[in-house]
Amino acid sequence: QKEVEQDPGPLSVPEGAIVSLNCTYSNSAFQYFMWYRQYSRKGPELLMYTYSSGNKEDGRFTAQVDKSSKYISLFIRDSQPSDSATYLCAMSPASGGSYIPTFGRGTSLIVHP
Amino acid sequence: KAGVTQTPRYLIKTRGQQVTLSCSPISGHRSVSWYQQTPGQGLQFLFEYFSETQRNKGNFPGRFSGRQFSNSRSEMNVSTLELGDSALYLCASGQGAIDYGYTFGSGTRLTVV
Repeated sequence: QKEVEQDPGPLSVPEGAIVSLNCTYSNSAFQYFMWYRQYSRKGPELLMYTYSSGNKEDGRFTAQVDKSSKYISLFIRDSQPSDSATYLCAMSPASGGSYIPTFGRGTSLIVHP
Repeated sequence: KAGVTQTPRYLIKTRGQQVTLSCSPISGHRSVSWYQQTPGQGLQFLFEYFSETQRNKGNFPGRFSGRQFSNSRSEMNVSTLELGDSALYLCASGQGAIDYGYTFGSGTRLTVV
C-alpha cells in the first residue's frame, strides 16, 4: 500500500459544477498538506498548502484536512474548462528546514463546457 | 522573474547509454530537487540538493546521481539506461522550507529505446 492514495480518475464534470478531489494517507507524521495542479506537458504548480487540520480557502478553491481520518480534500467551486488538469496531493512531515513531500499519483479532471 | 528551466525538453536514448539532464533554478533559490514521473508510479523523489550538498535521497539505484554547482544550477545523470527509466524528469527549486513551496520546471521527457 502506498503512503498516499489518490484515485487517478478521470473525473468528468460539467462547467459550473462543484468538484471534490480526495486523498487518503497512512503516515501519521504528515503535517503539511499540499495540492498541486499539472497541465499537460507542464510541471506541477502549487495551488494551496495547509498545516495540520482544518480548512483553507483561496478564491474558488477550498482545501480541507481531517487528520483523524487521514483524509484530505480539495473542492473547486464553479468549475471552469480551464480547471481541466491533473491534481496532485502532496504531504510532508514537519522536519526542521528540510522537507520532502510524498505525492499522490494525481487525479485527472475534465471540465466540459 | 524567470522560472525553473530544464534542458533538454525531450531526449531519446538507447538502452545502456548514459544521459545528463540540466536544471536552472529560480534566481536566489538554493534548493533543487529532482523527481521522476511515470503514469504507473506518479511522482517519485530522486534527490535534493541544498547549497551544493545532497541533503536528501530517495530510493533509486546508484545509477541515478546528481550534483549542484555554486550558482545553484543542478545536473542529474543516469548511467546504463534501462527501458524502465523512460519518464518525465522534473526539477523543482525552492528556498528550502515548506512555507515557500516548490516551483517545478516543465520537465525533460526521456525515452529509452
